[in-house]
Amino acid sequence: GNSVTQMEGPVTLSEEAFLTINCTYTATGYPSLFWYVQYPGEGLQLLLKATKADDKGSNKGFEATYRKETTSFHLEKGSVQVSDSAVYFCALSGDQAGNQFYFGTGTSLTVIP
Amino acid sequence: EAGVAQSPRYKIIEKRQSVAFWCNPISGHATLYWYQQILGQGPKLLIQFQNNGVVDDSQLPKDRFSAERLKGVDSTLKIQPAKLEDSAVYLCASSLGGVGENIQYFGAGTRLSVL
Repeated sequence: GNSVTQMEGPVTLSEEAFLTINCTYTATGYPSLFWYVQYPGEGLQLLLKATKADDKGSNKGFEATYRKETTSFHLEKGSVQVSDSAVYFCALSGDQAGNQFYFGTGTSLTVIP
Repeated sequence: EAGVAQSPRYKIIEKRQSVAFWCNPISGHATLYWYQQILGQGPKLLIQFQNNGVVDDSQLPKDRFSAERLKGVDSTLKIQPAKLEDSAVYLCASSLGGVGENIQYFGAGTRLSVL
């Protein structure tokens, strides 16, 4: 079946450090991949997505590339800010219509000044 | 544009009691999802509706959980009777639905504590 495995946290970085949060997936067919973010006291919101192999999703300085050969969708940011402190969730949809949705366990990121 | 509305925000009940949660999705969104998020874990899909029909309820504990979306708009999720392990945040999300329209928008959630 479909599943998402996400790097465990918590992760603590200094401001302007490089961020990588690893995510690998198992899926049949042609899944879509997502990163969602949950800021303190707020609901989940979409950060970025990719719908097919080699697609790169990007938003707010974050990037992730859909790698079919390694079944990965790692999240990266070149220089984190204190405001990036949040919990990040990798997720997949089993098809292009939003069915069979699975989330990873989440990675908590704290950025210190 | 109004977001996904959920109520109540918090609920405390004793085990074996019943509880119901309400969700109003974004206007025009055909697909509605209910998730259970236990502390320290990612959201787990409980049920997915497309309009007023159930698309996926494979992870819904049907002996105690039920959900409906009678008019294809708002939805209720019920737990009867509740167990201690049902303590979690219950999230509702909606999307336009259809191929390529799979971005989900989440409500703030209902935090349930079962004592």
